[in-house]
Amino acid sequence: NAGVTQTPKFRILKIGQSMTLQCTQDMNHNYMYWYRQDPGMGLKLIYYSVGAGITDKGEVPNGYNVSRSTTEDFPLRLELAAPSQTSVYFCASTLPTLGLYEQYFGPGTRLTVT
Amino acid sequence: AQSVTQLGSHVSVSEGALVLLRCNYSSSVPPYLFWYVQYPNQGLQLLLKYTSAATLVKGINGFEAEFKKSETSFHLTKPSAHMSDAAEYFCAVSDTSGGSNYKLTFGKGTLLTVNP
Repeated sequence: NAGVTQTPKFRILKIGQSMTLQCTQDMNHNYMYWYRQDPGMGLKLIYYSVGAGITDKGEVPNGYNVSRSTTEDFPLRLELAAPSQTSVYFCASTLPTLGLYEQYFGPGTRLTVT
Repeated sequence: AQSVTQLGSHVSVSEGALVLLRCNYSSSVPPYLFWYVQYPNQGLQLLLKYTSAATLVKGINGFEAEFKKSETSFHLTKPSAHMSDAAEYFCAVSDTSGGSNYKLTFGKGTLLTVNP
C-alpha cells in the first residue's frame, strides 16, 4: 500500500510553460485535494474532488486546472506558469464515508518558476 | 468561514522540557480538529485528531491535545521534548456541516526547535 504518491518531486519551469503534477492514491479514497504551501503561510486549498468526475475550486484556484477521471488519480495542471506559482504542492486524500476524516498527504512536488 | 490561529511561528525548548504549541480556531459549527507534523522536505503526517469523542486526545510520539470548546482552543503538548521532535507543526480545522466536503483550513504553522 503506497498511500498517496506524487510525481515529479522537483521541477523547474520557465515563465509561460505548462506542466501537470501527478497524484495517485491506492487507498480507494473518494475525496482528494490539492494544496500549495508557501513559507510562513501554511497550506492553501487549490482544488478538490469528491469523486470521479466531480471537482470544485478551493481558496486559490486561479492559474490551475484539475480533472478526475478515475478514483485513483487527481492531476493538477498549470497553464502559463508564473513566478507566483513557485511553491510546494501537496496532494491529499480521505474517505469520510467510513468515518475517516483526517487527510493523508503525499510527499509533495517542489516547483520553481523562473 | 473557519480560521485557525497558531500563536508563535517559532518555539524553542530544551531537550526534556515541556512542549506547548498553541492553536485557536474559529468555526460556526462543532469542528473536527487536527495536528499534523512536517519534517524537513517531507509531507504532512497526522499526529492526532479530535472528532467529537473524548476531549483529551492522545497521539503518536507522546503528544496529546485537549479540545476546549469554551476557549475555542486545541493546544498541543508533550511532557518532555526530544531532539527528534524538531519539525514544523500545523493545526487544522475541518467543517462538519453538510456540504463542507471535509476541507481543511490550516494555521500558518509553528516551527519547533529542540536545543540539547
